[in-house]
Amino acid sequence: EVQLVESGGGLVQPGRSLKLSCAASGFTFSDYYMAWVRQAPTKGLEWVASISYDGGSTYYRDSVKGRFTISRDNAKSSLYLQMDSLRSEDTATYYCTTDGRYGFAYWGQGTLVTVSS
Amino acid sequence: DIVLTQSPVLAVSLGQRATISCRASQSVSISSINLMHWYQQKPGQQPKLLIYRASNLASGIPARFSGSGSGTDFTLTIDPVQADDIAAYYCQQSRESPRTFGGGTKLELK
Repeated sequence: EVQLVESGGGLVQPGRSLKLSCAASGFTFSDYYMAWVRQAPTKGLEWVASISYDGGSTYYRDSVKGRFTISRDNAKSSLYLQMDSLRSEDTATYYCTTDGRYGFAYWGQGTLVTVSS
Repeated sequence: DIVLTQSPVLAVSLGQRATISCRASQSVSISSINLMHWYQQKPGQQPKLLIYRASNLASGIPARFSGSGSGTDFTLTIDPVQADDIAAYYCQQSRESPRTFGGGTKLELK
């Protein structure tokens, strides 16, 4: 059974940092591009970042470029999102998901990040 | 960026057909492959892939869900609608980066 389990969310002050993790199991992690997708409270879905199979290529939405860093450790079947210089508009539930031309096939349950003083 | 436009709300009766549309600001097709996907999200849950590449049913999804379309116009059909289908539905394109989602259509009971 495919499982994606996010962790690391919480309450953080504006300008501070937070690192999210996603532990994957039930599939060959290194065979998939991976992504983070977020959803602000009562809002729609928003793609944040993606990473290639070996981590050699990364992609970001403009609003997080230079502040967020996506990475992966295939030996640990884990995906990460380092979030720096956080803003109130980054408040959202962050989902870890597999990424590909067949869509975002598998999703974690999400972890809530709240940026507030 | 490719903008995907969905109607915010669709009211339907149980047992009837629901047709949810998604219009893209530019083509999301490459060599007849339509890179449009559909998701269902219920309150408090993560999204679930329903349809990939416009018309392919994802694993475990009931046959009452179907997808169609090409180029810039796509449709998700639920026939017949059941009580368990009351949820938000999102289209999403993987034609180019950034991946973009539609604003979502909330399916409500009439």
